[in-house]
Parts: sequence; C-alpha cells; structure tokens
Amino acid sequence: DTGVSQNPRHKITKRGQNVTFRCDPISEHNRLYWYRQTLGQGPEFLTYFQNEAQLEKSRLLSDRFSAERPKGSFSTLEIQRTEQGDSAMYLCASSPNRAANYGYTFGSGTRLTVV
Amino acid sequence: QQPVQSPQAVILREGEDAVINCSSSKALYSVHWYRQKHGEAPVFLMILLKGGEQKGHDKISASFNEKKQQSSLYLTASQLSYSGTYFCGTEAYGGSQGNLIFGKGTKLSVKP
Repeated sequence: DTGVSQNPRHKITKRGQNVTFRCDPISEHNRLYWYRQTLGQGPEFLTYFQNEAQLEKSRLLSDRFSAERPKGSFSTLEIQRTEQGDSAMYLCASSPNRAANYGYTFGSGTRLTVV
Repeated sequence: QQPVQSPQAVILREGEDAVINCSSSKALYSVHWYRQKHGEAPVFLMILLKGGEQKGHDKISASFNEKKQQSSLYLTASQLSYSGTYFCGTEAYGGSQGNLIFGKGTKLSVKP
C-alpha cells in the first residue's frame, strides 16, 4: 500500500484555463475527500465520495468545479475557467468508511498557482 | 461550524510541555487531531469519540470533555520533531456525517 497519491504535485496555469487533478486513494478505502488549503489556514472541505457516489458538496464548490470518482476508484477534480482566487493546495484524503470513526489519510496535495 | 483553536502559535524549548485547545459551540460526535509539517500533508494523530475520554501514545495525548464541546492536545517533554501546525477536525451532531471541519491550526515551534 503506497498511501494516497496525488498528481500533479504542482500546477501553474494561466487565468481562464481549465485544470484537472487526480487522486488515487488507498485501495480498500470507500470514502474519498477533497479539501482546499490556503496559506495559514486549515483544510476547507470541498466534496466527498462514498464509493462512486458524490454525497456532499460544499457551497465553496462553485459550478466551475466538478469532481468524479468513476467506479469508486481514483477521483478527479476539475476546475474550469480558473481564477487567481483558486490558487491553493488541493488535498485529497481517504478513509475506510465514516471518517469520524477512522481518521483520514491525506495525500501530499497538488499546489495550484493561477497567474 | 468551524472549531476554534487556541493558541494560534506556541514557541517551546526542547523538553517543555504544551497544550492546544479546540472548542466548538455545538456538541461534537468526534474530534480528530492532525499534525502538518511545512510543505507536507497533514498526518493523523488520534481520534476521540466519547465524552470524558483520554487517549494518547508516547508523549502526545488528548482529552475530550464530558459535554463533548472541547478537546485538548497535550505534548509533554517536547522534541524538535514535534514542530509543525496542529489541526483539530470535528464532526458535529446533526451535521454532515461524512466530512470533518478543521480549525485554523496552532503552529508549534520547538527550539533546541
């Protein structure tokens, strides 16, 4: 088990471009979460999946953001028409089931810079 | 609702103790504690589920009060490796059953 893997590690994009990030969770984990973290702040919840079903989305997740988890395996997070305010670290985490009972395993994150 | 962490920052000498607090206005189903070193992912430390619970490993322990609205993380005889930012993540009763809400973090610096 190699833990939670995120790609790419860094992404620099021009304002208005679309970007896509990938997360590969721990294989036996049913739940997968996306968080966003800016400098000096705690992770902010974006969305989570139970297997392939997207169960909750934060109001932070505007219609420019979309996430998928086909077949309940890896997940992708796409941001369309990026804005400078989207610059942040995007963290993916997974847990065996309800996180309240198990805790998260985080990936190393994708750092997005919008110029 | 975001939990409130205090203090925002702590500077210690090796061997000194620290306490980090995490408070909520609502009763909590669970409290998690994570440590994040600069440029790295947060790492899970422990989870508390029961009011009055205390748990820990090595010299890091945590408590959850009876009302389940406050948790404290105790770091004793601190080591250089304890440096980092500590976050509590909470799930409130009546809230989402799927995700944690994190506090803003407490930055701990341990000096030689």
